[in-house]
Amino acid sequence: GENVEQHPSTLSVQEGDSAVIKCTYSDSASNYFPWYKQELGKGSQLIIDIRSNVGEKKDQRIAVTLNKTAKHFSLHITETQPEDSAVYFCAATDGGTSYGKLTFGQGTILTVHP
Amino acid sequence: DAMVIQNPRYQVTQFGKPVTLSCSQTLNHNVMYWYQQKSSQAPKLLFHYYDKDFNNEADTPDNFQSRRPNTSFCFLDIRSPGLGDAAMYLCATSRDGRSLLYNEQFFGPGTRLTVL
Repeated sequence: GENVEQHPSTLSVQEGDSAVIKCTYSDSASNYFPWYKQELGKGSQLIIDIRSNVGEKKDQRIAVTLNKTAKHFSLHITETQPEDSAVYFCAATDGGTSYGKLTFGQGTILTVHP
Repeated sequence: DAMVIQNPRYQVTQFGKPVTLSCSQTLNHNVMYWYQQKSSQAPKLLFHYYDKDFNNEADTPDNFQSRRPNTSFCFLDIRSPGLGDAAMYLCATSRDGRSLLYNEQFFGPGTRLTVL
């Protein structure tokens, strides 16, 4: 099955700096890679996703890059703000299933200091 | 607003006392998923329904069962909760998990289960 590794486990930045979180996956058949932001009491919110037919996607301050050859994808947050503080999870679909099963990374605790 | 709703948000039960967690959705999605997330860990898929078809993950304990009486509702039943079942339980939906166009998963806020 799919295995997703996520680094770093914790990340501390100053407001206005950039933050980068990296994930690797094992199943070359995986084709969908979402990123979720998890805040206390708010559940998991999809913040950006990328499909295997593109290499990069950007939405305002958030971008995701995908390198299929190396089997890794990264989340980039620019001009970080304190409200970006949360736990971020990457995930990948298991290419061997027919129902979009997501395998998650272990999460990154991002802290943005004012 | 269309959304995924979970009730209750916090549930306390006693060791061995059956408990049911509820999930409802207004998105009219075909697929509903149940994940277990223990402290400081990633969510782990327990099972999912594609319409009425139930699909159990191979490593999901028999203690966990699920029901989906209609498109909108899905229940997670824990028959005999143990201390190790204390976790956040997340419900998610997708329009069609098999389709690259529609496999985005929408998560509810979760139910935090405490076992005494």
